[in-house]
Amino acid sequence: AQSVAQPEDQVNVAEGNPLTVKCTYSVSGNPYLFWYVQYPNRGLQFLLKYITGDNLVKGSYGFEAEFNKSQTSFHLKKPSALVSDSALYFCAVRDAENYGGSQGNLIFGKGTKLSVKP
Amino acid sequence: DGGITQSPKYLFRKEGQNVTLSCEQNLNHDAMYWYRQDPGQGLRLIYYSQIVNDFQKGDIAEGYSVSREKKESFPLTVTSAQKNPTAFYLCASSNLAGGQETQYFGPGTRLLVL
Repeated sequence: AQSVAQPEDQVNVAEGNPLTVKCTYSVSGNPYLFWYVQYPNRGLQFLLKYITGDNLVKGSYGFEAEFNKSQTSFHLKKPSALVSDSALYFCAVRDAENYGGSQGNLIFGKGTKLSVKP
Repeated sequence: DGGITQSPKYLFRKEGQNVTLSCEQNLNHDAMYWYRQDPGQGLRLIYYSQIVNDFQKGDIAEGYSVSREKKESFPLTVTSAQKNPTAFYLCASSNLAGGQETQYFGPGTRLLVL
């Protein structure tokens, strides 16, 4: 069965420092990987996705993520954090080989709360 | 959140009562989804629909029902059989692109039990 793990419940970063939010996944086939951000009492906003090709994916608001097949990871990164980046971040995975059945649904991690201090 | 609307923003349910959450999209997306969000548990899929008049159960469908009579609308009913309905409910929609599609989310409805 497919799964996704976000090993850190919370990440604390000083403004201006680089940030990393970790995500690892498990699928039987090839993964489609997504990152979303959620501000308090709001819906999820799409940041970026990996489908195929270049392992480094660039997304909205200066975020990027690196797909590492050998480590089954898709960590979210930003070179310089802003206080306004403080939010809840979700990684999600879909098994490309099982799309169309219940095993092909998008599976979300439990979320990582990012706190950026001035 | 643009393109997908959910109403109401807050909803209160009395014990034994059925309540319906509204989700409308103007993105011309074929697929629509309902998720439940509980603190520390991420999002869990309740129901999804890929075409009008058809829908499928997700991982936690018990105590919920849906309909898809129009492409733009996918209402969710929380029935009295759902014993722990307090949660944040999120509706999403997407095109269908062999799994590569991005799901776009509405602003959510918070359901509270009186």
